[in-house]
This record gives sequence, structure tokens and C-alpha cells, in this order.
Amino acid sequence: KAGVTQTPRYLIKTRGQQVTLSCSPISGHRSVSWYQQTPGQGLQFLFEYFSETQRNKGNFPGRFSGRQFSNSRSEMNVSTLELGDSALYLCASSLGLAEETQYFGPGTRLLVL
Amino acid sequence: TQLLEQSPQFLSIQEGENLTVYCNSSSVFSSLQWYRQEPGEGPVLLVTVVTGGEVKKLKRLTFQFGDARKDSSLHITAAQPGDTGLYLCAGERLRYGNTGKLIFGQGTTLQVKP
Repeated sequence: KAGVTQTPRYLIKTRGQQVTLSCSPISGHRSVSWYQQTPGQGLQFLFEYFSETQRNKGNFPGRFSGRQFSNSRSEMNVSTLELGDSALYLCASSLGLAEETQYFGPGTRLLVL
Repeated sequence: TQLLEQSPQFLSIQEGENLTVYCNSSSVFSSLQWYRQEPGEGPVLLVTVVTGGEVKKLKRLTFQFGDARKDSSLHITAAQPGDTGLYLCAGERLRYGNTGKLIFGQGTTLQVKP
């Protein structure tokens, strides 16, 4: 079974631009969670989607948004980029049932100049 | 407020030494997971512990879940350079809101020198 895939792997943007990141979960997984990882803050939860519905959202500004499609693929969007948005953005998928394991993708490294 | 305190944050040891990483919280978790992450990659799950007092072994790695399910430890015996990486603990909560299902510790960066 293929693992979680994320595209693109690397991205360079400038302040004020917007960016869309994509995540394809493991086949059969219906839940997708997004995390932001920075050296100072560690892994911070962004949002979780299940069956095209956002189940939870972390403490991030409204510039961060996401969605999930009927095939469970997910995208996250960051508008009006700021320097502080530079981070590794990780996607994790799980079956979507209670108390089961999340599997992480390799991440998208975003650099905002 | 960091709900999961992981220590130490950095560890540099010689090949063959033993080490222990701790993960502590005042919260109770339904399970606790340990991940290892290499530079430029996503975290890879090493183990999940579910029962209070549970001990799991993975070759030279020993994981323990505290009796009260609030803390955990990872012990590596005879560390090797291939063990180098970022070790993350993550607690899973039954009830969660805007912090998500998994709460991550800050991570322990381990460097094992040959």
C-alpha cells in the first residue's frame, strides 16, 4: 500500500502570496490531519478532516484554510503569506475511527521570503 | 502551555552508550505514541502504548507507559549512529478540540557519534 503523499515537497514564496498544498492519504483512510512544524513551536495542529467535513481546527488565523474531497484527498491553503509561515507542513491520515494510528507524509517545506 | 513536556531536548552521545528520553504530562492520555523523524521527512511511528504500565520492546528500544497514563519513557540500549534523529512523543486524547487528537512533545534531538 502506498503511503501518504504530499505535493509539492518544497516551495518558495514571497510575502503576501498564497499557497496551496496537497495531501493524498493512504488508500482507504478517510481522516486527514494537517500540522505545522517549526523549530521553535514543534508540531502544531492545524485542522482535521473526515468525510469532507472539518472536524477540528487549531489555533491558527483564518489565513489558514483547508478542504477535503470525496476521494479523501485534502488541500490546505495559506493566503497572504507571512515570513513566520515558513515551516514544514505535515499531513497525516488515519482510518477515521476512534483511537487509531495516524500515518504521516514526508511534508512540504515552505519558505517565505 | 506545553501539555506534553519532553526531555531532554538535545542529546549527544557516543556509540554504545545507553539513553532515556522522558515524556511527562499532567493530563491522562488514552494512548501514547513515539515517532522518529529524520531531516526533511515526516515522523514515522515507532510504537503505540495503550495500557498503564505497559512495556514494549523494539530491538534495542524499550518503551514504557506510566501507570497513570500521564507519562512515558523511551530507553535505547547501546545506541548506534543509525539511531540519530528527532524523537517525538504524542499523547492521544479521548476528548479534544482545537489542539487536535494528538498532542506532541517538543521532541528530543539525538545525535549518536561513531
